[in-house]
Amino acid sequence: GAGVSQSPRYKVAKRGQDVALRCDPISGHVSLFWYQQALGQGPEFLTYFQNEAQLDKSGLPSDRFFAERPEGSVSTLKIQRTQQEDSAVYLCASSPTSGGYRTDTQYFGPGTRLTVL
Amino acid sequence: LAKTTQPISMDSYEGQEVNITCSHNNIATNDYITWYQQFPSQGPRFIIQGYKTKVTNEVASLFIPADRKSSTLSLPRVSLSDTAVYYCLVGDTGSSASKIIFGSGTRLSIRP
Repeated sequence: GAGVSQSPRYKVAKRGQDVALRCDPISGHVSLFWYQQALGQGPEFLTYFQNEAQLDKSGLPSDRFFAERPEGSVSTLKIQRTQQEDSAVYLCASSPTSGGYRTDTQYFGPGTRLTVL
Repeated sequence: LAKTTQPISMDSYEGQEVNITCSHNNIATNDYITWYQQFPSQGPRFIIQGYKTKVTNEVASLFIPADRKSSTLSLPRVSLSDTAVYYCLVGDTGSSASKIIFGSGTRLSIRP
């Protein structure tokens, strides 16, 4: 079956532009996560959804970052007024269960590489 | 938060067994230990998960001592394709705003 897909794979934005990154999780997966990965670093948690409910957004670095999952499947991460420090790979992951995301296996997409000029 | 410490990098040769140790002194009672593998330009991929003692699957083994303050990922007979970054994850202490911490991982390089 299809895995997690993300689009676009690459995005170049000028500083100050708004961007929207899309994640298509594995069908039927309850949990969805967004991560930010800087070059040479591990992924850093941004936010977590259980179905359409955003249960944890404590990792979002500023109010310029906004995520939604309105129908409990596809999710969009939006970054407003992009800054150079937003340049990173944005990873999406989904998990079939909602029983505690510290232990659930997460299935990752390939990521979107955002470059802000 | 339960922090993990791993070696920054390791080198080995094809056909060797590779052991990567992760320290997690503040692991909580209900926390599991999970390892992920990440190749360049890809998202991390689940390798193995355990709570205590030993877990083995078709890819790797995970050894966890009784005190659970560390764990060792063992990759038998590595090949060039095992060159990747390996992350050890431990659940944090379970606050309402818990975060999943990957850390910087261990960059494993396999040589012919």
